[in-house]
Amino acid sequence: QVQLVESGGHVVQPGRSLRLSCTAPGFTFSSYAMHWVRQAPGKGLEWLAVISSDAANDFYADSVKGRFSISRDNSKKTLYLQMNGLTTEDTAVYYCARSYSSRNWIDSWGQGTLITVSS
Amino acid sequence: EIGMTQSPATLSVSPGGRGTLSCRASQSVRSNLAWYQQKPGQAPRLLIYGASTRATGIPGRFSGSGSGTEFTLTISSLQSEDFAVYYCQQYHDWPLTFGGGTKVEIK
Repeated sequence: QVQLVESGGHVVQPGRSLRLSCTAPGFTFSSYAMHWVRQAPGKGLEWLAVISSDAANDFYADSVKGRFSISRDNSKKTLYLQMNGLTTEDTAVYYCARSYSSRNWIDSWGQGTLITVSS
Repeated sequence: EIGMTQSPATLSVSPGGRGTLSCRASQSVRSNLAWYQQKPGQAPRLLIYGASTRATGIPGRFSGSGSGTEFTLTISSLQSEDFAVYYCQQYHDWPLTFGGGTKVEIK
């Protein structure tokens, strides 16, 4: 069974930065593209970013471009999301997820980690 | 950005009944469309990809159809575990985008 485990969920003040992590112990992490998707309380899914299996390419939603940065360390089987300049609108559950290639359907999801941006 | 519109927002169906969910893209996505199911407090789960291919382990009562801009997810005989929110997602172009979701509730 595919396992994706997010961490880094926190209550953070507006304007601050935070880095999320997602570890993927149970599959060949380096063979898959990895995504971050978020869901604000009571709202739908919002795709944020993807990074290719070899980290050579990444793509972002306009809503986070320039503020968020996705990265990965294949040797550690870990995905990251660096989030800067957080606002209250970034309050959400953040999911990491995988797909066979960057522009593809998502076949597995983590359980999510909650980020609350509040003063 | 390709906009994805799902309808209806809420669908009330009796157990054993048939549910038909719609997803419309603002421009053609060919067959590059997936459907996901999400239950309260859980992560989404892949149901359908390529507009009509069921993911591994998904029961045959779930079927997807359509191409271009119009897509349909049909649940042929709703079971208690099928009452959830369903999202469509296009992966034809950047950025990837989701529809707003359809909540399937018990009638």
